[in-house]
Amino acid sequence: AQSVTQPDIHITVSEGASLELRCNYSYGATPYLFWYVQSPGQGLQLLLKYFSGDTLVQGIKGFEAEFKRSQSSFNLRKPSVHWSDAAEYFCAVEADNNDMRFGAGTRLTVKP
Amino acid sequence: ETGVTQSPTHLIKTRGQQVTLRCSSQSGHNTVSWYQQALGQGPQFIFQYYREEENGRGNFPPRFSGLQFPNYSSELNVNALELDDSALYLCASSSILRGGGETQYFGPGTRLLVL
Repeated sequence: AQSVTQPDIHITVSEGASLELRCNYSYGATPYLFWYVQSPGQGLQLLLKYFSGDTLVQGIKGFEAEFKRSQSSFNLRKPSVHWSDAAEYFCAVEADNNDMRFGAGTRLTVKP
Repeated sequence: ETGVTQSPTHLIKTRGQQVTLRCSSQSGHNTVSWYQQALGQGPQFIFQYYREEENGRGNFPPRFSGLQFPNYSSELNVNALELDDSALYLCASSSILRGGGETQYFGPGTRLLVL
């Protein structure tokens, strides 16, 4: 069955530092992969998505993610974090039957 | 272009009651998906509607049902509410053009509390 694992429940980084959020997926075929961000009390906003082609995907707000088939990973990165990036981040894979499977999320705290 | 809207924003019900949540999809979208997000967890797929027909369902019991209307707005109905149904219910709209991977645009959610 398709699944997504986000190993880090909570990450704290200093403002201006680099960020990497990990995501591992389990899926038999080439997956559609997504990263969403959720601010408190809000819905989810798409940061970026991977369908095929170039394995390095650029998104909004300066985020990027790299698809590594050999590692079944789709890690999210940002070179310099801003205080406004503090939020919950979700990795997701589109499975069969139009079922979008989400990870449990990683909560990002940004220290001044 | 209007975004995805949901109503109500908050709702309190008691066990055994029934609830209806509503979603207006983004202009031009023909597909609506519903998700349940329990506190501290990621969203879980309930079902999807495409052109008024159910187009996929997650692991939720039949007491979770839905409708999609000709204007592509949608309702989520939950019968015989249980305490564990307390969650944020998210609606997402998209436009199915090809085999998959379409971007889903999420509404702000309805927070349901079952007492």
